Amino acid sequence: NAGVTQTPKFQVLKTGQSMTLQCAQDMNHEYMSWYRQDPGMGLRLIHYSVGAGITDQGEVPNGYNVSRSTTEDFPLRLLSAAPSQTSVYFCASSAESSPYEQYFGPGTRLTVT
Amino acid sequence: GNSVTQMEGPVTLSEEAFLTINCTYTATGYPSLFWYVQYPGEGLQLLLKATKADDKGSNKGFEATYRKETTSFHLEKGSVQVSDSAVYFCALSGGYQKVTFGTGTKLQVIP
Repeated sequence: NAGVTQTPKFQVLKTGQSMTLQCAQDMNHEYMSWYRQDPGMGLRLIHYSVGAGITDQGEVPNGYNVSRSTTEDFPLRLLSAAPSQTSVYFCASSAESSPYEQYFGPGTRLTVT
Repeated sequence: GNSVTQMEGPVTLSEEAFLTINCTYTATGYPSLFWYVQYPGEGLQLLLKATKADDKGSNKGFEATYRKETTSFHLEKGSVQVSDSAVYFCALSGGYQKVTFGTGTKLQVIP
């Protein structure tokens, strides 16, 4: 049981490049979320999903896309990277029975130059 | 909207000292309250929770009591260890399965 996995662990992009951050969970959780963590700002919700085929915007969705074609996977796409997207990104999942008890992946540290 | 305010860190304590990390919240309705912990280089882990007023959550020697009258959920531990060094996040439940996190408080325990 691997829990929540994220790849890559580290990534450096140039401004304007696109990329996809991968997230997968093997706990059959219905809910999945993407957060970004910035110094002094805690975690901010980017996008979330309550099940396959259903996604919605969080607090800071601009510049990011998501899709949820399976229960297990929830990739986050950066369309055209900007320096303001330099951050640590966390994926989390939770069960429908306890939606606020989230399980987090180890994070992806992204630097945009 | 919902918000969580935590005491600023870093908090530096000697081993076996008493720990308090303050957390207050603003929310509509009756949220559940949580403490998450983040060890260096890792994702957040749920430490403890409380789902209604006067509930006490506890885990690994840590405790926090849901105080509706003061809108607080302070984290305490009677005797900290070096292994408790981490960043601690207070959080509350919101609508649509959303969780609102505080900014985190870094704890450093020195031998």
